[in-house]
Amino acid sequence: DAGVTQSPTHLIKTRGQQVTLRCSPKSGHDTVSWYQQALGQGPQFIFQYYEEEERQRGNFPDRFSGHQFPNYSSELNVNALLLGDSALYLCASNRDTNTEAFFGQGTRLTVV
Amino acid sequence: AQTVTQSQPEMSVQEAETVTLSCTYDTSENNYYLFWYKQPPSRQMILVIRQEAYKQQNATENRFSVNFQKAAKSFSLKISDSQLGDTAMYFCAFMKPLPGTYKYIFGTGTRLKVLA
Repeated sequence: DAGVTQSPTHLIKTRGQQVTLRCSPKSGHDTVSWYQQALGQGPQFIFQYYEEEERQRGNFPDRFSGHQFPNYSSELNVNALLLGDSALYLCASNRDTNTEAFFGQGTRLTVV
Repeated sequence: AQTVTQSQPEMSVQEAETVTLSCTYDTSENNYYLFWYKQPPSRQMILVIRQEAYKQQNATENRFSVNFQKAAKSFSLKISDSQLGDTAMYFCAFMKPLPGTYKYIFGTGTRLKVLA
């Protein structure tokens, strides 16, 4: 079992660009959540997907959007990148109704 | 809104010694879950221990145990017989499971260094 996998591991983008991050959940998991972890901070909840629908969203602007595919994998899209979007983006998966989530190793996004 | 506070940004402990990491939280809920996650330099968050609020007994996992004080809204992690591999960031997290949503609220973390 490969666990939760994220790609790419590192990414450098220019201010104003758009970026797509990808996540494959752990086998058997149907729920995917995305978190932003700024340097020196704890992860902040962005949103959660289940059955291809966004079912809860944290306090993030509409520039942050996502998608979940029929195979439960997910994408996080960020438009009009700002310097403040530089962070580690973590994907977590769980089986619906199970409180324990498994995390990927994250994508380190640097906006210059 | 729920909040999680970790007041110790950094701690160190000698190998084989015991260390306690502190966490307090604020909520008006009665039923919820609390977690400790470890984040080593590899960046992957790893679950250390989980506590259900309705359970009075403190959770234990091998060398890791918690002191859960519901009335005081305190949830500390004790690591016994510390090992070099315990060096990592430790995050305390809160979850109020609701139908259709399972999101964590994390604290700012404690950086633990185990010294040889």
